[in-house]
Amino acid sequence: EIVMTQSPATLSVSPGERATLSCRASQSVSSNLAWYQQKPGQAPRLLIYGASTRATGIPARFSGSGSGTEFTLTISSLQSEDFAVYFCQQYNRWPPEITFGQGTRLEIK
Amino acid sequence: EVQLLQSGGGLVQPGGSLRLSCAASGFTFSSYAMSWVRQAPGKGLEWVSVISVSGGSTYYADSVKGRFTISRDNSKNTLYLQMNSLRADDTAVYYCATVQQWVVQTCFDYWGQGTLVNVSS
Repeated sequence: EIVMTQSPATLSVSPGERATLSCRASQSVSSNLAWYQQKPGQAPRLLIYGASTRATGIPARFSGSGSGTEFTLTISSLQSEDFAVYFCQQYNRWPPEITFGQGTRLEIK
Repeated sequence: EVQLLQSGGGLVQPGGSLRLSCAASGFTFSSYAMSWVRQAPGKGLEWVSVISVSGGSTYYADSVKGRFTISRDNSKNTLYLQMNSLRADDTAVYYCATVQQWVVQTCFDYWGQGTLVNVSS
């Protein structure tokens, strides 16, 4: 099983500042990585797939980078609605052995 | 507008069974692979199962293999998850979701609202 490790567990950032979230895979997943945002009581929302492609309707302030085992989600200028939990997910193998990271909670500083 | 409306959750005793449904609208259901993902209370996300557009190919996480069955009825635009031999550690909110692209991009575009399955005596 490919283990996904996110850091930090909690990130405190002020509105308007940049946030950088990390995700590390225990072995290479190429660019087969997605990022999701989840707010309390809601389903996750797909932000990024293919490590760097924004999903439909996702604002340009969200960007993804990385390949292999190291990935980053950057939110360039935090808005109030961006404070949430973020998960990464790998989908490198077929038949699927899909795994998620444990999440990073982005909170208001 | 894409909508995935879930039903069928609830309280069930250990060893019991439950069937979840996910009714799709706003897109061509028969053109999309579908998946189930769950989230234990206060925990992260766990992929459960995926099914191809025709229903001819299905895959499961090891934690549910042999106990859960994913299926679909394209004439009814509905996805199902039959859960048997339920255990306490199956307690979670279950989400249905569309698969962005079978095999190539097995990530999840659109999600249902979630339904709680509580396995407890």
